[in-house]
Amino acid sequence: QSALTQPAYVSGSPGQSITISCTGASSDIGSYNFVSWYQQHPGKAPTLLIYDVSNRPSGVSNRFSGSKSGNTASLTISGLQTEDEADYYCGSYTGSITLVVFGGGTKLTVL
Amino acid sequence: EVQLLESGGGLVQPGGSLRLSCAGSGFTFSSYAMSWVRQAPGKGLEWVSDISGSGGSTYYADSVRGRFTISRDNSKNTLYLQMNSLRAEDTAVYYCAKESRYCSSTSCYTAYFDLWGRGTLVTVSS
Repeated sequence: QSALTQPAYVSGSPGQSITISCTGASSDIGSYNFVSWYQQHPGKAPTLLIYDVSNRPSGVSNRFSGSKSGNTASLTISGLQTEDEADYYCGSYTGSITLVVFGGGTKLTVL
Repeated sequence: EVQLLESGGGLVQPGGSLRLSCAGSGFTFSSYAMSWVRQAPGKGLEWVSDISGSGGSTYYADSVRGRFTISRDNSKNTLYLQMNSLRAEDTAVYYCAKESRYCSSTSCYTAYFDLWGRGTLVTVSS
């Protein structure tokens, strides 16, 4: 099972919106609505941002939103803030004995 | 407070063994499947292994199958990862993570990880 594909770097200015893509295969993202997104600040553990493609856990800002089309999922962050600068990872259920696959991660820089 | 706390990491020689532990608190530990996820220095997340709430079913990534064993003791609210035949490429921070699963009459689906521990560093080097 191959890792999901994310852009290595994304940048934006405060107040702008950015979108991070996450491309998988018909066997993972394309087959299941079990796509999740995680935020990781340097030296910290990941935290859940989005689950089941587009749902936000309690306490997560509505500036974060998720979507999916075919084999590609997307995370959009609107109204960028400096504290959004972090690494972002997507994950998906695979339906195979390798249960879960993650993307390689995207480093977001807020200029 | 709902939390996970890993321990047991350290420096080990190639070919050696190590056992990681993860203590859960603030939730009904036995009701949830759990996973280990690792992150090599400067790299992304890699799912390693999963165990059901009862401990009756386990899954492994291809990279660790046959070398690592996941287990749990629900009476102690603790998850374990026994790592044998360690290699340099196993060097990573190991996180335990609480899963959210959806189950039908025939299958269960690991949907996401809603609680992560702080991680424990495993370094495999001579």
